[in-house]
Amino acid sequence: DGGITQSPKYLFRKEGQNVTLSCEQNLNHDAMYWYRQDPGQGLRLIYYSQIVNDFQKGDIAEGYSVSREKKESFPLTVTSAQKNPTAFYLCASSAGRINQPQHFGDGTRLSIL
Amino acid sequence: DQQVKQNSPSLSVQEGRISILNCDYTNSMFDYFLWYKKYPAEGPTFLISISSIKDKNEDGRFTVFLNKSAKHLSLHIVPSQPGDSAVYFCAAGPSGPGNAGGTSYGKLTFGQGTILTVHP
Repeated sequence: DGGITQSPKYLFRKEGQNVTLSCEQNLNHDAMYWYRQDPGQGLRLIYYSQIVNDFQKGDIAEGYSVSREKKESFPLTVTSAQKNPTAFYLCASSAGRINQPQHFGDGTRLSIL
Repeated sequence: DQQVKQNSPSLSVQEGRISILNCDYTNSMFDYFLWYKKYPAEGPTFLISISSIKDKNEDGRFTVFLNKSAKHLSLHIVPSQPGDSAVYFCAAGPSGPGNAGGTSYGKLTFGQGTILTVHP
């Protein structure tokens, strides 16, 4: 089955640690995205990539980093510079062509110990 | 500056009746609009979309209406079913290169979501 896989589903981080969230897709989509969801809020865009080896900052990129070395993979690193990392993180992908919806993985919930 | 707003945090509807979820936007560059449905601890699922060249799009029990002059869209679900109970997000974006050299293409801006509860 084609889809987007995020792992792990739950992740705990100690203060001062970097942590990397995995996102893999087998939909052959060009574009991939990372969002953050906080309680009572919509999805806010962290980073996005329209093509391999290229990515752009979204609205809340500070304290995060990404890479896009392969078409199917778009890992997100939450660095120690992110002051409030506890949130639900969602990865999405789309064909990247006009009027193509984004499809989402099931998310990773990150908590600070 | 919230460019996409869903002003109703929650909506409660009886099974079989119509559910109407509303969304307002401010950015005139938005010309592609989507609705997503989300269950707790899962990712959003794409429901239906509409581009600005249309004012209505239907898919089974779901219909999206777009009023460009009012910068308003709505999702109608009829008849509503208990399984429709979820959080509904509207999203909007430019369908073309936008006004930033193409870098805005594909970006979506989401509303805060509306919790729909359908009672049996």
